[in-house]
Amino acid sequence: DVKVTQSSRYLVKRTGEKVFLECVQDMDHENMFWYRQDPGLGLRLIYFSYDVKMKEKGDIPEGYSVSREKKERFSLILESASTNQTSMYLCASSPPGQGSFRSSYEQYFGPGTRLTVT
Amino acid sequence: KQEVTQIPAALSVPEGENLVLNCSFTDSAIYNLQWFRQDPGKGLTSLLLIQSSQREQTSGRLNASLDKSSGRSTLYIAASQPGDSATYLCAVKAAGNKLTFGGGTRVLVKP
Repeated sequence: DVKVTQSSRYLVKRTGEKVFLECVQDMDHENMFWYRQDPGLGLRLIYFSYDVKMKEKGDIPEGYSVSREKKERFSLILESASTNQTSMYLCASSPPGQGSFRSSYEQYFGPGTRLTVT
Repeated sequence: KQEVTQIPAALSVPEGENLVLNCSFTDSAIYNLQWFRQDPGKGLTSLLLIQSSQREQTSGRLNASLDKSSGRSTLYIAASQPGDSATYLCAVKAAGNKLTFGGGTRVLVKP
């Protein structure tokens, strides 16, 4: 079974702190994703990475950065946390597919990190 | 821009009744559609993935259909059980390897 783990289930940080959220997958997947989930807004893509050291902005990258130094690990960084970044953060991974099946594989999600910024 | 809608936002049924969950999307140029289950405070569990070339997928009591031309998918859960209570989300994958999610349908199955 694919396993995606996230470093913390619950996290409480103060405004202005630098926050690291870690995600690790054990299936050698090329693609990794960070989402946030908010009531009434659903899941929104923050950043994704399709290879080591590669990253692409999602729909709401402002206020976030990411790091992918190793294939299995994808980190989300809040350089200076703000209260509007209080949310549930979900990490996902997927294999890349090949050729015409490039996008045919499903995404596997971690358990989520509930971040509260006070 | 792709938009995914799930109606109703919440649903309550007695145990044993069949569940019918709807998902609609605005752009039919999709690669696949995925249904997820989410329990309160937890991550997403993948239930079914339907490729754009397929019309349905089945797994146990779950059956999902896809009508790409009309931009709709339906998830059927037969003989519902209290353990099926959760939020169900659909998501479509289009170009760029991104998923666009619906808002979810919160299901309560009453014993």
